[in-house]
Amino acid sequence: NAGVTQTPKFQVLKTGQSMTLQCAQDMNHEYMSWYRQDPGMGLRLIHYSVGAGITDQGEVPNGYNVSRSTTEDFPLRLLSAAPSQTSVYFCASSQHRTGPYNEQFFGPGTRLTVL
Amino acid sequence: AQTVTQSQPEMSVQEAETVTLSCTYDTSENNYYLFWYKQPPSRQMILVIRQEAYKQQNATENRFSVNFQKAAKSFSLKISDSQLGDTAMYFCAFLAQKLVFGQGTRLTINP
Repeated sequence: NAGVTQTPKFQVLKTGQSMTLQCAQDMNHEYMSWYRQDPGMGLRLIHYSVGAGITDQGEVPNGYNVSRSTTEDFPLRLLSAAPSQTSVYFCASSQHRTGPYNEQFFGPGTRLTVL
Repeated sequence: AQTVTQSQPEMSVQEAETVTLSCTYDTSENNYYLFWYKQPPSRQMILVIRQEAYKQQNATENRFSVNFQKAAKSFSLKISDSQLGDTAMYFCAFLAQKLVFGQGTRLTINP
């Protein structure tokens, strides 16, 4: 199993550009989520999905869109990039959102810089 | 809303020493899970240890153990016989309906 994969690993955008961060998992996990990591603030939840066709907002959803058309994929879209979105982005998945099978597996992260 | 607080931004110890990282949390939930994650310079998030709130026994994984005090809402991580490879950021995390992270503690193990 590849686990959780993210592409790209690094990205530089100009203010106002749009892009999609890709995330895929091959463990047949129901739950997938996106976090951003900023210095001194830990990881904060952006959006999550409890299954194909179901998404919901996390703590910091503004400026981001997600969709979950398949169990495997959970892309994160930046609609109009802003310097405040400069961060490291992590995708994670777990078999369930909570309960015994809730260990989250993280992707390697994407470092995004918005100029 | 749940909050997780790690009061030690940075810690540094000598190799082979024992070190304890602190974590407190605030919640009104009764059923939840607590985690410690390690993030080495590679940036990969690695699960170190997990504790179910309904279990009174403290979790242990080799050199890593926790001191879980449910009434005090405290969840500290003890690393015994520390090794150079333990150098990393350590995040405490709380899970009820969603996973909430603390701010992290940067741990350096010196040779």
